[in-house]
Amino acid sequence: AQSVTQPDIHITVSEGASLELRCNYSYGATPYLFWYVQSPGQGLQLLLKYFSGDTLVQGIKGFEAEFKRSQSSFNLRKPSVHWSDAAEYFCAVDLNNAGNMLTFGGGTRLMVKP
Amino acid sequence: KAGVTQTPRYLIKTRGQQVTLSCSPISGHRSVSWYQQTPGQGLQFLFEYFSETQRNKGNFPGRFSGRQFSNSRSEMNVSTLELGDSALYLCASSLAELAGTDTQYFGPGTRLTVL
Repeated sequence: AQSVTQPDIHITVSEGASLELRCNYSYGATPYLFWYVQSPGQGLQLLLKYFSGDTLVQGIKGFEAEFKRSQSSFNLRKPSVHWSDAAEYFCAVDLNNAGNMLTFGGGTRLMVKP
Repeated sequence: KAGVTQTPRYLIKTRGQQVTLSCSPISGHRSVSWYQQTPGQGLQFLFEYFSETQRNKGNFPGRFSGRQFSNSRSEMNVSTLELGDSALYLCASSLAELAGTDTQYFGPGTRLTVL
C-alpha cells in the first residue's frame, strides 16, 4: 500500500541554524509530492510541490525540497530557521496524481530555540 | 481572493447525534476534499467532490457522507456520532482545471468534540 513516512516526530533547532526534514514514500510510480505547514489551531498552508521536471523545487518562506527517485525521498530544507518557523510540517503524496486525494505523513513538529 | 472558509469553527456534540459541517471553496475552485485530523490517526482523506459528484472516497464508514452544491460549496455530515469522531475536520479546494496538476488549498478546519 502507498504510504508516506516522516521519521522524525520532533526536531529542535536553534534560530539561524539550517534545517532538514525527512520524508520517504512508498509508491509504485513517481508521485506528486507536497509539503504543508500547520501552525497551532490552523489549517494547512502549502509550502511547495513537485509534479515533474527539476528535482529541486523552491517554495515560500525560503523553503526548498529535493526529490530523489533513487531514495524515494522528498526532504524539506531551509538554510536559516526563524523563530516563526516553529510549527508542524507534513509531507504528502497524491494517490492518483491529480492533486486532490492526498496521503499524509505523520508530521514533524519543529521547535526553534532562541 | 478569499480563502477556503469553514463553518462552524468549533462544535460540541454528544454521542448518537448527527452533525453537518460546511465548506466554501476559493472562488472558481470546483473540487472540494475533506480530511479528518486526529492525534492518533493523523490526517486522513475522507472524500472529494467535483461537479456535485463524489469522485474519490477514503476508507471511512457510511456514517460519513457529503455533498456538493452547484456553487461548489460542500457540506459534510456525520451521523450517529461516536467519541472517536472527535477531530479537526479540514476542507480543501482546488481548481480541477487541468488533470494531473491540481493543488489543494486548505481551510482553517472545524474542531468537533463529541462528549
